Amino acid sequence: NAGVMQNPRHLVRRRGQEARLRCSPMKGHSHVYWYRQLPEEGLKFMVYLQKENIIDESGMPKERFSAEFPKEGPSILRIQQVVRGDSAAYFCASSPSPRRGGSNYGYTFGSGTRLTVV
Amino acid sequence: AQSVSQHNHHVILSEAASLELGCNYSYGGTVNLFWYVQYPGQHLQLLLKYFSGDPLVKGIKGFEAEFIKSKFSFNLRKPSVQWSDTAEYFCAVNARDSNYQLIWGAGTKLIIKP
Repeated sequence: NAGVMQNPRHLVRRRGQEARLRCSPMKGHSHVYWYRQLPEEGLKFMVYLQKENIIDESGMPKERFSAEFPKEGPSILRIQQVVRGDSAAYFCASSPSPRRGGSNYGYTFGSGTRLTVV
Repeated sequence: AQSVSQHNHHVILSEAASLELGCNYSYGGTVNLFWYVQYPGQHLQLLLKYFSGDPLVKGIKGFEAEFIKSKFSFNLRKPSVQWSDTAEYFCAVNARDSNYQLIWGAGTKLIIKP
């Protein structure tokens, strides 16, 4: 049973380009969470999605960032017109239910995508 | 709003030393508490969790944490650290009242000198 798959592992973009980060949740998990980890900072919640629905996007920057979790396929975090400050590690987690959050209840993390904006 | 505070951003210890990493949260209701570990270049892994019952919880790799409700704390401990414990440690909290959204501390980078 594959874990949470994120790709690419590393992504380099020039300022102004678009970045697309993909997250395939664990089999049977229908809840996806995106987090951003800036250097020297902890994980910051960005968005929580269920299939075809954005449940909580309170952590998403108001501009340039969007996320989706279609009925088929992976969840996508999209950053338009990237800037240097977007350089960070982006982690995705999935769970079968939003409760608890512990790994035994399905809150499993992917390996992350490290975005570098040059 | 809930918040989680980890007191030390960097901790350096020698092998066999005892470890205690502080974690305090601000929330008056019922919470679930977690410690996650991120080894260099790897993803986050759950170390241990507290939902209810015995406030002293034991996790993997010899780690334990004690929930002290009166102090709003959930400190992580290990009696004797190893070089392989070098990692970043994150404390996290969630609560039913906030739809179980995990709130994270800023993390503590632990370096164990061989």
